[in-house]
Amino acid sequence: AQSVTQLDSHVSVSEGTPVLLRCNYSSSYSPSLFWYVQHPNKGLQLLLKYTSAATLVKGINGFEAEFKKSETSFHLTKPSAHMSDAAEYFCVVGWTDYKLSFGAGTTVTVRA
Amino acid sequence: GAVVSQHPSRVICKSGTSVKIECRSLDFQATTMFWYRQFPKKSLMLMATSNEGSKATYEQGVEKDKFLINHASLTLSTLTVTSAHPEDSSFYICSAREMRRVGSTDTQYFGPGTRLTVL
Repeated sequence: AQSVTQLDSHVSVSEGTPVLLRCNYSSSYSPSLFWYVQHPNKGLQLLLKYTSAATLVKGINGFEAEFKKSETSFHLTKPSAHMSDAAEYFCVVGWTDYKLSFGAGTTVTVRA
Repeated sequence: GAVVSQHPSRVICKSGTSVKIECRSLDFQATTMFWYRQFPKKSLMLMATSNEGSKATYEQGVEKDKFLINHASLTLSTLTVTSAHPEDSSFYICSAREMRRVGSTDTQYFGPGTRLTVL
């Protein structure tokens, strides 16, 4: 079965500093992995996805994630946080029939 | 980018009544749509897969007679919560899988969600 574990339920950073959101996955085969962001009262937005091409994946809004098979990790990073990055972030793994399994989510707050 | 809409965005109903939620792909065709439920401060839980022209498939523990799903066209899926009870109060989110050319990676697009409150 496929699953993801987000290691931090809440991350707080200062504006302009790096952001790191950690995610470990469990998959019986080569996974499809995604990061989605959910802003209050808005729909989920795809930040980036990994589908067995390059291990370093660049997404929107300056986010990127690195797939590390040896560590079964897919951590999300951004070099410089912006106030607009405050939101809920979900690490997601794709499995059979294009279904998605969501991690528990990480709440990001950005301090001015 | 592809847009998925949900209607209504928010609904309040009395216990025992039924509520229908619509999910539409506005600028693409979606043979498959998914319905999720999100509790406060919690992650999304997949409820069912909606397939155009065939019966929906439900995840374990989801009552198919309570959560009726219809996928009548390539751009519309509906979720009907029948005989709603307060414990059905939740945030319901749909997603639509965009079919692209053979060999490419399909992408899911999410609707903005529907907040259901059952009194």
